[in-house]
Amino acid sequence: GEDVEQSLFLSVREGDSSVINCTYTDSSSTYLYWYKQEPGAGLQLLTYIFSNMDMKQDQRLTVLLNKKDKHLSLRIADTQTGDSAIYFCAESSRTGTYKYIFGTGTRLKVLA
Amino acid sequence: EAGVVQSPRYKIIEKKQPVAFWCNPISGHNTLYWYRQNLGQGPELLIRYENEEAVDDSQLPKDRFSAERLKGVDSTLKIQPAELGDSAVYLCASSLDTGRTDTQYFGPGTRLTVL
Repeated sequence: GEDVEQSLFLSVREGDSSVINCTYTDSSSTYLYWYKQEPGAGLQLLTYIFSNMDMKQDQRLTVLLNKKDKHLSLRIADTQTGDSAIYFCAESSRTGTYKYIFGTGTRLKVLA
Repeated sequence: EAGVVQSPRYKIIEKKQPVAFWCNPISGHNTLYWYRQNLGQGPELLIRYENEEAVDDSQLPKDRFSAERLKGVDSTLKIQPAELGDSAVYLCASSLDTGRTDTQYFGPGTRLTVL
């Protein structure tokens, strides 16, 4: 079945760049998303990318998509302590059976 | 604009008791989702509504879980009876179906503890 995988933890120093990685298995995915979840809160959409794009930049966030390798990454420039949270990637597809699948999440810890 | 509202935020019950969660989506959003998020994992879809119709409930354990969205606006998710393994955060999300991307907006969730 479809699977979305992420590494569990990432620790960076304040001011450095963070790169969070995600791999997925379903080549029919049409959109890929990055969500942020802070403690005790729901998921907040950060950005998304259409599958025919390979890069999207939004202020401090850069999303890279390698469709051949089914690899998605989120780069956060100048990481701040407020960026500490769990980051989830998700894939969706409307071709055939509708699906919206989340990864297991990467806990980002920013050290002051 | 108000976001997705869920209540209660926390619920502690004993096993075999019933429990219900309520969700009010963002105004105008026709699609509503219920997810379950176990500790240390990503959300897993339980049921998806388009207006008042449940269009995907394949992951909903129908022996004990039920949901409704009678007027196509707010929704209730019920568990009866609850089991220990039901302890999780139950998230509600909504989206405006544009026929393209499904940008989902999440509520804060209800944290259920079954003792």
